[in-house]
Order: sequence, then structure tokens, then C-alpha cells
Amino acid sequence: AQSVSQHNHHVILSEAASLELGCNYSYGGTVNLFWYVQYPGQHLQLLLKYFSGDPLVKGIKGFEAEFIKSKFSFNLRKPSVQWSDTAEYFCAVTLPYGNNRLAFGKGNQVVVIP
Amino acid sequence: EADIYQTPRYLVIGTGKKITLECSQTMGHDKMYWYQQDPGMELHLIHYSYGVNSTEKGDLSSESTVSRIRTEHFPLTLESARPSHTSQYLCASSPPMGNYGYTFGSGTRLTVV
Repeated sequence: AQSVSQHNHHVILSEAASLELGCNYSYGGTVNLFWYVQYPGQHLQLLLKYFSGDPLVKGIKGFEAEFIKSKFSFNLRKPSVQWSDTAEYFCAVTLPYGNNRLAFGKGNQVVVIP
Repeated sequence: EADIYQTPRYLVIGTGKKITLECSQTMGHDKMYWYQQDPGMELHLIHYSYGVNSTEKGDLSSESTVSRIRTEHFPLTLESARPSHTSQYLCASSPPMGNYGYTFGSGTRLTVV
């Protein structure tokens, strides 16, 4: 089945550690890719997005993601996390046939320990 | 701060009651969506709309219904709530053109007892 896969649902790390969250999708054709973040008690917010061009995308709060077409991946990274990065992170992909509809992964619950 | 508003934020209701979850946006977006989110699970699309008087079922079957009489308003209704409807319901909207991300509301956490 076509899907968006995020592994390691729960991630716990210390401040200043590096973070990498994997995202793989199984849709063929041209897709647009997104990472959303949901801080505790808040709504989902767009972290970054990729449509075309440079496969390394810079987002807010020091996050970046790299699109690797051959691997159908769009991994999220941050070199040095802070306690305030504690949140749930969702990868999303526009469906090729879906007229801007998004398919989401299961999310990564990230806890940063001070 | 989001320009899409959902009420109520939390709702606890008895089995068999009729409920309506409200969603309004002030951005003039044509496209609106309802997602269901359970802990540790992906967001599942249950309804979407591409404009006034347009509504479609999403990927996840749902007993809820929606209406889109005005651009800014996209309410979701459950005629007879059941414990299996307990979940978080997220409303979102997006512009009509281009592949922009969604703007999400804060969600309604529904508990049916």
C-alpha cells in the first residue's frame, strides 16, 4: 500500500545532541514534501517544505531536510537540539492524484531532556 | 498564530448524542479538510471540500458528515456519538492554487462515554 513511513516513533535525546528523523514515501511521480511540528498543546505548524530545486531545504528554528529522490526519502535534521524542540514531528506528502491532498506519516514523538 | 479556529477544544459527551464540531478560517481558502488523529497514528483524512457546496469523503471511512455552505465554515457532525468516535479531530485549509502546505486548527479532542 502506498504510504508515508516514519520510524522510531519515540525519540529521547539530550540538549545539544543532533537529531535526524527519517521519512520515506512510496508514491511514484512528482510529489511535494513537508515536515510539520506539533508542540505540546499547540496546533500543527509547517516546519519546512520541498517542491523543487535544491534538495536541501532550510526551515524554521534551525531545521533542515534533504530530499533524496532515488531513496524516496525526506529526512529531517537539526545539528543541536534544544529543550524547546520537544514536540511531535510529522512528515507529509502531497498525493500525485490528490489535488493538493496530503498523506501523513505516523509521527515522531521527540523528547529533549535539559 | 493560526487563522483557523476550532471549537470546542475539548468535548466529553454521552453515547447517542448529536454533536457538531466547528471549524472556521479567515484566510479565504477554498480547500478545507478534516483529519482524525489518534495517539501514535498518522493523521487520517475523513472529509475534504474544494469550495462551497463541495464535500467529499476522505481515505478513512467515517460516520460523520460535513457541510460547506460558506467558504469560511466547514462543520463536522456526528448524528449519534459512540465511544468508537473518541479521537482528536483536526481541521485544516489550504489556498486554491499552488502546492502550499496546510494551515491547521488546534483540534477538538472528543471523548464519548
